[in-house]
Amino acid sequence: AQSVTQLDSQVPVFEEAPVELRCNYSSSVSVYLFWYVQYPNQGLQLLLKYLSGSTLVKGINGFEAEFNKSQTSFHLRKPSVHISDTAEYFCAVSRPNSGYALNFGKGTSLLVTP
Amino acid sequence: DAGVIQSPRHEVTEMGQEVTLRCKPISGHDYLFWYRQTMMRGLELLIYFNNNVPIDDSGMPEDRFSAKMPNASFSTLKIQPSEPRDSAVYFCASSLGGASGNTIYFGEGSWLTVV
Repeated sequence: AQSVTQLDSQVPVFEEAPVELRCNYSSSVSVYLFWYVQYPNQGLQLLLKYLSGSTLVKGINGFEAEFNKSQTSFHLRKPSVHISDTAEYFCAVSRPNSGYALNFGKGTSLLVTP
Repeated sequence: DAGVIQSPRHEVTEMGQEVTLRCKPISGHDYLFWYRQTMMRGLELLIYFNNNVPIDDSGMPEDRFSAKMPNASFSTLKIQPSEPRDSAVYFCASSLGGASGNTIYFGEGSWLTVV
């Protein structure tokens, strides 16, 4: 079965500092990985996705993630965060036998303070 | 383009009442998903449809929950009777094609409180 584990439930960081949100996955087949962001009182928005090819994936809002097969990880990074990046971030893995629905991690709450 | 549209955005109802949540997927999308989000369990897939046909409802918690998709542009999730433990955010999402790389687009959610 495909699953993801987000290692941090909350990550506080100061504005303009770098941040890394950690995600490990478990999959018995080829894996397709996603990061979504949920701003307060809103739905989920796709940040980026890894399907194949280059292991470094760039997304919107300056975020990027690196797929590491040997460590079964897909960590999300941003070199300099803004207050507006405060949100909940979800790592997800595709479920091939369910219309490619997504299995989500529990989420990481990123809190950016001045 | 309009995204996935859900209604109502917020609903407060009394235990035992029927609740109907509505969803309009993105035009042309052939997959529709219903998810539930709670603090305890996170985001859970309840059911998904392909071309209006329910394919997998194994995530529906119990018989009080039902979902329909009478046409390509409309789906409902019904809870009858509702219970306080059903309080959650319910998301509808849609995608074009059931391939691995297809992006799933989410609505803004229906925030349900059962008192």
